[in-house]
Amino acid sequence: SAVISQKPSRDICQRGTSLTIQCQVDSQVTMMFWYRQQPGQSLTLIATANQGSEATYESGFVIDKFPISRPNLTFSTLTVSNMSPEDSSIYLCSVGSSELNEQFFGPGTRLTVL
Amino acid sequence: AQSVTQPDIHITVSEGASLELRCNYSYGATPYLFWYVQSPGQGLQLLLKYFSGDTLVQGIKGFEAEFKRSQSSFNLRKPSVHWSDAAEYFCALGFQKLVFGTGTRLLVSP
Repeated sequence: SAVISQKPSRDICQRGTSLTIQCQVDSQVTMMFWYRQQPGQSLTLIATANQGSEATYESGFVIDKFPISRPNLTFSTLTVSNMSPEDSSIYLCSVGSSELNEQFFGPGTRLTVL
Repeated sequence: AQSVTQPDIHITVSEGASLELRCNYSYGATPYLFWYVQSPGQGLQLLLKYFSGDTLVQGIKGFEAEFKRSQSSFNLRKPSVHWSDAAEYFCALGFQKLVFGTGTRLLVSP
């Protein structure tokens, strides 16, 4: 299994600012994903972080709001831009293992926007 | 379109009693199905998964799930619940890109 860490674990931010969340994996992985879990809600896929190319965004999510970087096979960042209180959520990164046919999730970043 | 439905928002079970959490899915082919557990303040932990073969799948922590194609269901079961099982449980569908149900919060009463 993959060990995934995220930074920060939580943050409280002001409206209009941006926050970059880091995701680090202990091994090289092909597939990395970013999910959002709004308060009391389920998880929704934001985008697939592609190494060497632009991220692939799901319906309802755009690059200007959630820019993603994937500089190598062990690291990715998600930025939440121009934040509003509606962006208060837990943001989780995950990695896929084609060998095991499963996904491993990071511990999440709890974001509160005031 | 793929979708997952967990009809129970929350369930309360007495410690030592049996548990069944319901999950229904919509998918045109043989689905890849998963159950995850999320404890307060924790990330998601995979309990079990189904891809093919035996329709009764064993997982960690004494959980099992049964895939029933005719009912489009993948219900999670445990014969005897422990207080530490209190958590949020998510059913998910897909391969790599997962579609999650809305979750069921399990409360365990003494």
